Amino acid sequence: GAVVSQHPSWVICKSGTSVKIECRSLDFQATTMFWYRQFPKQSLMLMATSNEGSKATYEQGVEKDKFLINHASLTLSTLTVTSAHPEDSSFYICSAVKYGTSGIKFSYNEQFFGPGTRLTVL
Amino acid sequence: AQSVTQLDSHVSVSEGTPVLLRCNYSSSYSPSLFWYVQHPNKGLQLLLKYTSAATLVKGINGFEAEFKKSETSFHLTKPSAHMSDAAEYFCVVSDLQTGANNLFFGTGTRLTVIP
Repeated sequence: GAVVSQHPSWVICKSGTSVKIECRSLDFQATTMFWYRQFPKQSLMLMATSNEGSKATYEQGVEKDKFLINHASLTLSTLTVTSAHPEDSSFYICSAVKYGTSGIKFSYNEQFFGPGTRLTVL
Repeated sequence: AQSVTQLDSHVSVSEGTPVLLRCNYSSSYSPSLFWYVQHPNKGLQLLLKYTSAATLVKGINGFEAEFKKSETSFHLTKPSAHMSDAAEYFCVVSDLQTGANNLFFGTGTRLTVIP
């Protein structure tokens, strides 16, 4: 199997506080995890790539000091939204990469997605 | 560079009729293509994937998609829609050859099934 969990599934916080979201691969090890955000009725936008044991790589326009990512183990990555503001309210989704091999020439990787965390900042 | 275009933001079909969700892709190399479904307030579920094997890919819940390189298309079809198919569908491209993990999502197609 390939199950990814997120905790919490939803959170409401006051403006100015920090919120931590956990992403766990339950039955496989993931050296790479991704964090996405999804605004209502929009597609997923990649925020950052989380690599176990090294610093995360952020996409252009994503503030690394605001969205702190820690990938301390092969099964856990955390996203901390610091000093949250109402505009940070969104659906945050993580994924974990499970590697496989298909054919001779290429290896493929597949991302397994967590159920998402809905963050509401008041 | 990789990108996908989902040609319809909203598709509405009657229960029991065929479903066609259109997707065109752009990729510099040999793409890996996916269709994901997202039910309200739920995570993404993989329907099917193409990774340079058979061009007609069968997925879960009766869905299938055909990779057409000449048309740079990867349309999703199902012979007969069920009410439970109502959801948001995302066409996604990745790039195998560069070894990149990055997925590039289309803007999504909302499928409505009319009883």
